[in-house]
Amino acid sequence: QKEVEQNSGPLSVPEGAIASLNCTYSDRVSQSFFWYRQYSGKSPELIMSIYSNGDKEDGRFTAQLNKASQYVSLLIRDSQPSDSATYLCASRREYGNKLVFGAGTILRVKS
Amino acid sequence: NAGVTQTPKFQVLKTGQSMTLQCAQDMNHNSMYWYRQDPGMGLRLIYYSASEGTTDKGEVPNGYNVSRLNKREFSLRLESAAPSQTSVYFCASVLGPYSNQPQHFGDGTRLSIL
Repeated sequence: QKEVEQNSGPLSVPEGAIASLNCTYSDRVSQSFFWYRQYSGKSPELIMSIYSNGDKEDGRFTAQLNKASQYVSLLIRDSQPSDSATYLCASRREYGNKLVFGAGTILRVKS
Repeated sequence: NAGVTQTPKFQVLKTGQSMTLQCAQDMNHNSMYWYRQDPGMGLRLIYYSASEGTTDKGEVPNGYNVSRLNKREFSLRLESAAPSQTSVYFCASVLGPYSNQPQHFGDGTRLSIL
């Protein structure tokens, strides 16, 4: 079992819809989680970080964390074609600040 | 405002050749990291340096060596390149080993080994 797992997709949603991206993790010690967006041929860029149970909203993005279920999600409201990218979920190991990444979910927003 | 700078951006090597990938950050960060990204596998940690003067292995260190030259620079060396090391390499940095801040990534080095 991978430490961080994501559905590889592609996840296809129509423009204006809500895109829901999911991630599960196996290391119960992990406390911090990050969502990165990566366009083809580019480097990862941070979208959201979340450290405590519940929801965290930033503009069109909402990150959700459920530590009991070891589950992290990212909701993208009013999806735009420019949101089409690969979304990487990462957990943070406490010592050394190391990140463990999932394989990523490809999102396609169709206009 | 450069952030994390990686050189070169592209490189083609022959099997058995050696080369060094360079990374420099100007954000006064203490911790630096090298990842590789292969299709369908996300990013995997090769080596990291939690602070100047220290380096540690990550998930996939075999075939690589690193040097933390100073606080700004962290290099990755392939002593004898193999086709399995064809990948995209990313360098990243963060304030410190216990910081809750996100890592900042460079633009990557695309390496092909023939």
